[in-house]
Amino acid sequence: DIVLTQSPALAVSLGQRATISCRASQSVSISRYNLMHWYQQKPGQQPKLLIYRASNLASGIPARFSGSGSGTDFTLTINPVQADDIATYYCQQSRESNTFGAGTKLELK
Amino acid sequence: QVNLLQSGAALVKPGASVKLSCKASGYTFTDYYIHWVKQSHGKSLEWIGYINPNSGYTNYNEKFKSKATLTVDKSTNTAYMELSRLTSEDSATYYCTKGFDYWGQGVMVTVSS
Repeated sequence: DIVLTQSPALAVSLGQRATISCRASQSVSISRYNLMHWYQQKPGQQPKLLIYRASNLASGIPARFSGSGSGTDFTLTINPVQADDIATYYCQQSRESNTFGAGTKLELK
Repeated sequence: QVNLLQSGAALVKPGASVKLSCKASGYTFTDYYIHWVKQSHGKSLEWIGYINPNSGYTNYNEKFKSKATLTVDKSTNTAYMELSRLTSEDSATYYCTKGFDYWGQGVMVTVSS
């Protein structure tokens, strides 16, 4: 299985930039497609798709969210962070089956 | 608009089975795979498998092959997941999702005597 590694938590101030990373145990890219996706989950709610295929903003997601990366290293950036962004963020790869990272909890500094 | 409505919470006894439902609306049901995802309390997400509603073809995470059975009823645009021989390890919230872009609200399954 492809294992995705995320830092457990990140503390950030409102209005600042948050950078959340996800490292895969092997490449999740096929040709020009980077099969890494990002989700936001708030307590008691279902996950919400933010970014698909590494850098594509999902429908209805604000432009302060962006994604980048290829191969094994990927980043979700939130800039500027707003209070509504306090949540847990998961990366997911679909290169081989589907696996999720353990999640990064975004907290206020 | 796309909506996936899941059945209500379930309390089931160890060793029993439970069948969860996921009723889709707002899109053509047979055009997109339905995936199921498990989230144990306070933990991350685990992919269980998917079903192609058009053909009925299924693909399972090896870990859940003997635990979950995915089916659909095209006449009612509803996907089902049956979990068998339940243990405390199966207590979790289960989500259905249309290709990971739209998710149901989740259903909590509690296995307890």
